[in-house]
Order: sequence, then structure tokens, then C-alpha cells
Amino acid sequence: DQQVKQNSPSLSVQEGRISILNCDYTNSMFDYFLWYKKYPAEGPTFLISISSIKDKNEDGRFTVFLNKSAKHLSLHIVPSQPGDSAVYFCAASLGGSNYQLIWGAGTKLIIKP
Amino acid sequence: EPEVTQTPSHQVTQMGQEVILRCVPISNHLYFYWYRQILGQKVEFLVSFYNNEISEKSEIFDDQFSVERPDGSNFTLKIRSTKLEDSAMYFCASRVRGNSPLHFGNGTRLTVT
Repeated sequence: DQQVKQNSPSLSVQEGRISILNCDYTNSMFDYFLWYKKYPAEGPTFLISISSIKDKNEDGRFTVFLNKSAKHLSLHIVPSQPGDSAVYFCAASLGGSNYQLIWGAGTKLIIKP
Repeated sequence: EPEVTQTPSHQVTQMGQEVILRCVPISNHLYFYWYRQILGQKVEFLVSFYNNEISEKSEIFDDQFSVERPDGSNFTLKIRSTKLEDSAMYFCASRVRGNSPLHFGNGTRLTVT
């Protein structure tokens, strides 16, 4: 049961360039999407989110795009910095006051100097 | 910045033993969660807790698992009789209200031998 899929296990990007991390989902009932970043030996850290009523949300160097018809979202990081090297998880929620998050498998982003 | 703290960082136990994983959520947060990540696999939801009771739990969270908020600050996960397959990173998370992002602790690595 892979409701949230991150098909790229890893991605390598040159410092200063744009990093694009992709995420696909299958459940059209998801109404809230989040990106988390995780360093080794640490818990996931919230990065940015988007509600299903929007198609774009921007926060500094980070922008999340949502394409509901394609059931696809992406995280853009520009410009990429060495500290961005981490595992990035896409997560989706069915909403409500509890909402358990359904997680993707993660994409390891490596920023090359 | 306030953070979720988890102890211990690493717990080794023998199969069949009981373990208690401890978490101190952020003080003004009202919703509490446990997630786990088996090595090389996805982050999986275990349970959510609100208003001193379980509000949602996954299939993983069977009768061997229980949660408690004994004193208004700690949030514990107990595994009554550990199995080898319980070996994983266990993450505690909390959030202030129903649709705000989760804040995660750094996790407890549980190793069952």
C-alpha cells in the first residue's frame, strides 16, 4: 500500500542550483501535504506544507507545488546549499483533528560543492 | 526554540521484555503521536493521543502497545513483550492544534535481541 510515493531514492545537485524533489500520491482524499527534512540521528523537521486548496506555497528558498489533477507535488529548493543535504520526506494527511500522516519513503538529497 | 525530547536515545532489550520509551512533548502542545521507522523502510504511524485518550491507532499498534501521559508532561510508549521485529527508530511528535505541523523528537533506537 503505497499511497505516497517518492520514486527517487537519491538526488545529487550542485551547490547554488535548483533542487527539485518529487512526490506522487494515489488517494484523492488527501487534503494536506507536508515536507519534512531529516538529518542522520535526528527526528524529521517540518519544512513546508500546502493545503489541497492551493497549488503553490513559498517560504524563503523553499517552494512546494501541488498538481491535484496529476496527484503530484514537488519541493523546489533554490539556491541549494550544502546544509540542505538531508533526507526529504513527503507526507500527506486525510485531514480532521487527528490526521495520521502517510509518509513517502524519502529522497536523499546531496548537495555537491 | 522549544523541542520534543526523547529518552533514551538507544535502548537494547531482550525479546519478551517490556520497554518504555519516554517523550516530553512541547509544553503547550495538545496532540501527541508515536511513529516508527524500521531501518530502510518508511516512517509509519502508530498512534495519536489527545485529551488523555487515544484518538487513532494503526494496525501496528496492537495489544502489546500502550501509551500514557502519566503526569501532564511525559508521554510514554510501552511495549509489553518485545519482538525482534519491534526493532526500529521510534519517534515521538507533538503539535499545538489540529492542523499545525508536527514537531518530532530525535527518536529512540530500539534494538531487540
